[in-house]
Amino acid sequence: EAQVTQNPRYLITVTGKKLTVTCSQNMNHEYMSWYRQDPGLGLRQIYYSMNVEVTDKGDVPEGYKVSRKEKRNFPLILESPSPNQTSLYFCASTEKGQYTGELFFGEGSRLTVL
Amino acid sequence: GDSVTQMEGPVTLSEEAFLTINCTYTATGYPSLFWYVQYPGEGLQLLLKATKADDKGSNKGFEATYRKETTSFHLEKGSVQVSDSAVYFCALKGGGSYIPTFGRGTSLIVHP
Repeated sequence: EAQVTQNPRYLITVTGKKLTVTCSQNMNHEYMSWYRQDPGLGLRQIYYSMNVEVTDKGDVPEGYKVSRKEKRNFPLILESPSPNQTSLYFCASTEKGQYTGELFFGEGSRLTVL
Repeated sequence: GDSVTQMEGPVTLSEEAFLTINCTYTATGYPSLFWYVQYPGEGLQLLLKATKADDKGSNKGFEATYRKETTSFHLEKGSVQVSDSAVYFCALKGGGSYIPTFGRGTSLIVHP
């Protein structure tokens, strides 16, 4: 089954404790992206990647890091989480050569930073 | 730059009512237009799309027509069900870009 898998789905942590949210897709997609969803603000893009070893900042990259060492994986790293990073996070992917633009989303990771 | 404006929610309807969620956009060239749906506790999934002017996308009883003259892509359904309760996102993707632009989402609540 084609899917984007995120882990963990739920996480409560404390300020400053490094954490990683993993994202993996099994569709051989070149393009992957991270979004955060906050009430009243909709979806905001954090980082995206066009291919292995190629990453770029989205609209709200501060406080986040990403890496793309393999095509299927695109982890989101919070080196020193702060309460304003409490949010619902989504990973998404699409085929780079596909101009129809459909994004495939994971089920989301709800992060709470105390 | 590209932008999408959706009507603010929540939209609250009774079952079997008619639904319209407005979406207008600003973009250069000829973007593709999308509606995504997010059911409670889930990620977004594509509901329907249209890739050129006057195209009508449809799925699960929902429809939207790409209107270039009014730069709109309003979502409609003739008779909503409780199971349609979700957040709906309008989005566009400019030609040659892999990065879609999303609206802020509109929450729909359908009561029995």
